[in-house]
Amino acid sequence: GAGVSQSPSNKVTEKGKDVELRCDPISGHTALYWYRQSLGQGLEFLIYFQGNSAPDKSGLPSDRFSAERTGGSVSTLTIQRTQQEDSAVYLCASRRRTGKETQYFGPGTRLLVL
Amino acid sequence: AQTVTQSQPEMSVQEAETVTLSCTYDTSENNYYLFWYKQPPSRQMILVIRQEAYKQQNATENRFSVNFQKAAKSFSLKISDSQLGDTAMYFCAFMKPVRIIQGAQKLVFGQGTRLTINP
Repeated sequence: GAGVSQSPSNKVTEKGKDVELRCDPISGHTALYWYRQSLGQGLEFLIYFQGNSAPDKSGLPSDRFSAERTGGSVSTLTIQRTQQEDSAVYLCASRRRTGKETQYFGPGTRLLVL
Repeated sequence: AQTVTQSQPEMSVQEAETVTLSCTYDTSENNYYLFWYKQPPSRQMILVIRQEAYKQQNATENRFSVNFQKAAKSFSLKISDSQLGDTAMYFCAFMKPVRIIQGAQKLVFGQGTRLTINP
């Protein structure tokens, strides 16, 4: 079966523009996570979805960041009015609701804000 | 809050040698999960090994094994017969168990250890 996929692989944008990052989890995985990996902060949790609801948004760094998930599958992370400090690799992971607790990661989107 | 510490920013060994990566963590939980993930230059985070805290037996996966010391809150990774393909960043991670109350299943990562296997 296919793994977690993310698009785009790389994104270069200008400061102040909005960007959308997409994640396709493994089929049947009900839990979905977004993480951010940056040089200064390491790997940080952003948001967690169970189905279409997001019971844990505690990691979103500001109100410029939002995410949604539709149909219990695809998720989109949106960053509005991007800033240079948003430059990072954004990783998505998914997990089955029951059974093994392992999170499986996608290849990430590298975002560069100029 | 949980914290994970990897005290070795970089390590380098010769091919076929054995190498041990250190990880310590801090938690007040009794049941939890620990993971080692590998991130090669491709950026893909790959699960290496996982350990449930309630299991006393150390997890093993082929050339990879852990030394889990619950009382000391230590979770080291041993790579035997290291191969060039083991060159990567290695992250130790902690996760609370899944509960009915949502919001407690995120991974908390260490800062990573960059491992280089030399030919």
